[in-house]
Amino acid sequence: DAKTTQPPSMDCAEGRAANLPCNHSTISGNEYVYWYRQIHSQGPQYIIHGLKNNETNEMASLIITEDRKSSTLILPHATLRDTAVYYCIVRVRNAGNMLTFGGGTRLMVKP
Amino acid sequence: GAVVSQHPSRVICKSGTSVKIECRSLDFQATTMFWYRQFPKQSLMLMATSNEGSKATYEQGVEKDKFLINHASLTLSTLTVTSAHPEDSSFYICSAKPGQGADEQFFGPGTRLTVL
Repeated sequence: DAKTTQPPSMDCAEGRAANLPCNHSTISGNEYVYWYRQIHSQGPQYIIHGLKNNETNEMASLIITEDRKSSTLILPHATLRDTAVYYCIVRVRNAGNMLTFGGGTRLMVKP
Repeated sequence: GAVVSQHPSRVICKSGTSVKIECRSLDFQATTMFWYRQFPKQSLMLMATSNEGSKATYEQGVEKDKFLINHASLTLSTLTVTSAHPEDSSFYICSAKPGQGADEQFFGPGTRLTVL
């Protein structure tokens, strides 16, 4: 699976949009971009995934650049409960393989 | 949605004892389950992949005789930490993957193991 690079930490004001970047310059054509988050002392939670088109669900939006070498996860109106470590993972879909977690970004949402 | 449970959520044991952690998929059948370990302020590290009815596949550096994995049914996998030592203290997390063709993995809430 391709390696990803994320900033180790970010702050965001409550109610504002949180934009979390991820670089994956070595991504292959058949690799998807997945985002998970882990709230303190809990298991990871799936957020969203995409291949090349932008995606949106009830939790977040995923913006993937045209060259697919980077992406941004957007939490449109961050709340205190969104404070967590956010992991960007690239992998081949339906490969049956495990998820490889990098360092992630520790997002702190402040009042 | 798919729910994965772990039991116990927290366990404290004495050095030298064995501890069993259960991972259950509550509303789906999991042909594959994964076991991860997470030390404080670090990311999740995969320990092993468990397929129902077959032996687990361990990652490099993980002792299979120390971390016994049993995936006896499509809804249950167990991780037994044998002869636990303080350095085994960690957060153990399982994830479960539904059958063939399904890509999503669903994570359990984790088990905090403290070995005194």
